[in-house]
Amino acid sequence: KQEVTQIPAALSVPEGENLVLNCSFTDSAIYNLQWFRQDPGKGLTSLLLIQSSQREQTSGRLNASLDKSSGRSTLYIAASQPGDSATYLCAVSRTGNMLTFGGGTRLMVKP
Amino acid sequence: GAVVSQHPSRVICKSGTSVKIECRSLDFQATTMFWYRQFPKQSLMLMATSNEGSKATYEQGVEKDKFLINHASLTLSTLTVTSAHPEDSSFYICSARSHRSFEQYFGPGTRLTVT
Repeated sequence: KQEVTQIPAALSVPEGENLVLNCSFTDSAIYNLQWFRQDPGKGLTSLLLIQSSQREQTSGRLNASLDKSSGRSTLYIAASQPGDSATYLCAVSRTGNMLTFGGGTRLMVKP
Repeated sequence: GAVVSQHPSRVICKSGTSVKIECRSLDFQATTMFWYRQFPKQSLMLMATSNEGSKATYEQGVEKDKFLINHASLTLSTLTVTSAHPEDSSFYICSARSHRSFEQYFGPGTRLTVT
């Protein structure tokens, strides 16, 4: 059974700092991995999707990497802003269908 | 593009009643829709997967007679919580996937409170 772990569970940083969120998964036979953002009481916004054959994806200040063999992914956020404060979730899919989510990292960026 | 809506966004109901939540893909045809449940400060747990025109596949531990899922069209899936109890209070989120992409698009969620 796939298990997804995110470390740290919570993170507080000053504005402008670069930061890295970590995601690990136990079964490396994945089809893809997605990073999501969730604001309190809201649904999920997809940030980046990495196919199993890819090593990284970039969107603006966000960069996600994938090391499938070691079961790890990182989400790098450059020059963090208070508006980046949210919970970040990673999720993996074995077949491209069902997603298994990690517990999330609650990020607070202080102005 | 790829917008998914949910209705209602919030609902309060009395114990023993049934509640229906709708999930719609607004600008694409969703061959597969997923229903998740999220408790406070916890991650999402998949409840069931539904494919248009066929019966939903429920995850282990999810009562199919309590959580009725209907995916009658390519743009609409409904989740009905039957005989709701306070422990059913939760945040229910749906997602939809088109046949063209494996990316899932999530709805804004429905907050259910059972009193």
